[in-house]
Amino acid sequence: ETGVTQSPTHLIKTRGQQVTLRCSSQSGHNTVSWYQQALGQGPQFIFQYYREEENGRGNFPPRFSGLQFPNYSSELNVNALELDDSALYLCASSGGLAGVREQFFGPGTRLTVL
Amino acid sequence: SQQGEEDPQALSIQEGENATMNCSYKTSINNLQWYRQNSGRGLVHLILIRSNEREKHSGRLRVTLDTSKKSSSLLITASRAADTASYFCATDAYTGFQKLVFGTGTRLLVSP
Repeated sequence: ETGVTQSPTHLIKTRGQQVTLRCSSQSGHNTVSWYQQALGQGPQFIFQYYREEENGRGNFPPRFSGLQFPNYSSELNVNALELDDSALYLCASSGGLAGVREQFFGPGTRLTVL
Repeated sequence: SQQGEEDPQALSIQEGENATMNCSYKTSINNLQWYRQNSGRGLVHLILIRSNEREKHSGRLRVTLDTSKKSSSLLITASRAADTASYFCATDAYTGFQKLVFGTGTRLLVSP
């Protein structure tokens, strides 16, 4: 158990809808990163939040957006869902006083877009 | 896009045998991390090796890093059925923020 939690576990949406995924970071961690993992692939970096600001983004369109709250929990929002958005969405927390470089992942949210 | 490739894509061994997985990457890195994933769920962090380190051990795990060849290997000794999982290497180049770039993974099956 890493202490990183995600909700919901599974989600089914239809094309064009919007979805919000949630992540609570590990205690003491101030950085949250989001990744998308398509079936049979390695995770791909979406973006990262540090102290409530987006400080890095991967090659994902603007309809993927996020937030980080003062308690360092985070949300991933995806608008205008497409079939290819079906994937496992993982969040990871890192940071803390010691500047830990390891990223600790949550169990993921499985999103299915029909 | 994926940073690197794991080799082999799949590996099947018996309990007690050693398992070796290789990872190649393309760009300069700050560190390289290995993760395990069971049945498409969350990733479990196994070990981090910094770019100035050549070898690191953790329990039954041994990781090597050769920055001149841009490659790393993960050795699991005395494998157990519980080691059955997918294993991913991830590179961290840290260009102002920490972004892990994952390889394609090795699926390991350990049979009793």
